[in-house]
Amino acid sequence: DQQVKQNSPSLSVQEGRISILNCDYTNSMFDYFLWYKKYPAEGPTFLISISSIKDKNEDGRFTVFLNKSAKHLSLHIVPSQPGDSAVYFCAASERGSGTYKYIFGTGTRLKVLA
Amino acid sequence: NAGVTQTPKFQVLKTGQSMTLQCAQDMNHNSMYWYRQDPGMGLRLIYYSASEGTTDKGEVPNGYNVSRLNKREFSLRLESAAPSQTSVYFCASGSPAAYEQYFGPGTRLTVT
Repeated sequence: DQQVKQNSPSLSVQEGRISILNCDYTNSMFDYFLWYKKYPAEGPTFLISISSIKDKNEDGRFTVFLNKSAKHLSLHIVPSQPGDSAVYFCAASERGSGTYKYIFGTGTRLKVLA
Repeated sequence: NAGVTQTPKFQVLKTGQSMTLQCAQDMNHNSMYWYRQDPGMGLRLIYYSASEGTTDKGEVPNGYNVSRLNKREFSLRLESAAPSQTSVYFCASGSPAAYEQYFGPGTRLTVT
């Protein structure tokens, strides 16, 4: 059973526009969420995170929104740039239980068109 | 500062052969992880080690063993490789103070 789902395998956006990547989860005990970006032939790199006590976290062009009641989070990239083209993974964890495990989604491939 | 390093980068095995994937980190992190990435499956946790001397199973541990050799090193062993273990393997490390994990560049393994 997939606890973290990214239902859009791919997304194409024009340069300068907003990219919105979505992630849904089923485990209400998840209390910490992260987004990673992955380029081909490289390991994932951390992008931004959010704790369940917040509903929004911003870092430059990247904003993550968390809707706990809907068990949904989204990553907004504004403005999108060609260098943002990559696979984006969301991940979730039950930090409050002392576990150090993260469950990853299946990823969304973002293509930013110049 | 090397971060997380993995060896080898590529490996081809025949069914039934064994091999060990090596991982080392120089960030003094307590926790280390092994993931596999398959098309359409995302990153799945194989094993993790919350601290030196401890290891625990993740989502897909069957067919694998791990050793936390010391704080820096965490190895993944395939005792009898199977074609279903063809994948890209990533090692990661993290600490409770730094919520994010840092990943190595990956090992691409093909089992024929």
